Amino acid sequence: GQNIDQPTEMTATEGAIVQINCTYQTSGFNGLFWYQQHAGEAPTFLSYNVLDGLEEKGRFSSFLSRSKGYSYLLLKELQMKDSASYLCAVLDSNYQLIWGAGTKLIIKP
Amino acid sequence: TAGITQAPTSQILAAGRSMTLRCTQDMRHNAMYWYRQDLGLGLRLIHYSNTAGTTGKGEVPDGYSVSRANTDDFPLTLASAVPSQTSVYFCASSDVGSGEQFFGPGTRLTVL
Repeated sequence: GQNIDQPTEMTATEGAIVQINCTYQTSGFNGLFWYQQHAGEAPTFLSYNVLDGLEEKGRFSSFLSRSKGYSYLLLKELQMKDSASYLCAVLDSNYQLIWGAGTKLIIKP
Repeated sequence: TAGITQAPTSQILAAGRSMTLRCTQDMRHNAMYWYRQDLGLGLRLIHYSNTAGTTGKGEVPDGYSVSRANTDDFPLTLASAVPSQTSVYFCASSDVGSGEQFFGPGTRLTVL
């Protein structure tokens, strides 16, 4: 079956760095995506990796290792507005997104 | 720019009643999706459509039906609601084959 695992909840301090991990087992791979979802709102696209390595976008970076079925989202210089759930998703061989349950990130002052 | 809209925002529905959740996009995306999101389970695909006139079943299609008469609209119908269909429903759209999906604001449905 298809499976995406990520921690349920993480806590970090404002101004610090946090890494959210995601491991996956899917039927085929056409890219890994990270979405941000604030409480009560819709998910919004953050980043996309299809090749191994690090993609940097401002304070956010995403890493992919296809051989290990592993990705992480790195958030630097944390701000209170980064408090949200972060969803990992894989585009499978049918070009359907398979979603993890999400990691709720709590930022403390 | 509207993007993607959903109606209603929230609804309380008696079990056994039918209901249609509406979704409209103005981005001319060919692909559209309906998801439900339940606490601890993440987003689960109900139905999808890759182009007007075609639809497909997702992971949890039972009890739901969809139609895609044109590019912009993708309504989701619950023929006879049950309490297990209590959830938040998101409509999304994208270019076909793209994992970058754009989501509507969601419909919070409670079935009693």
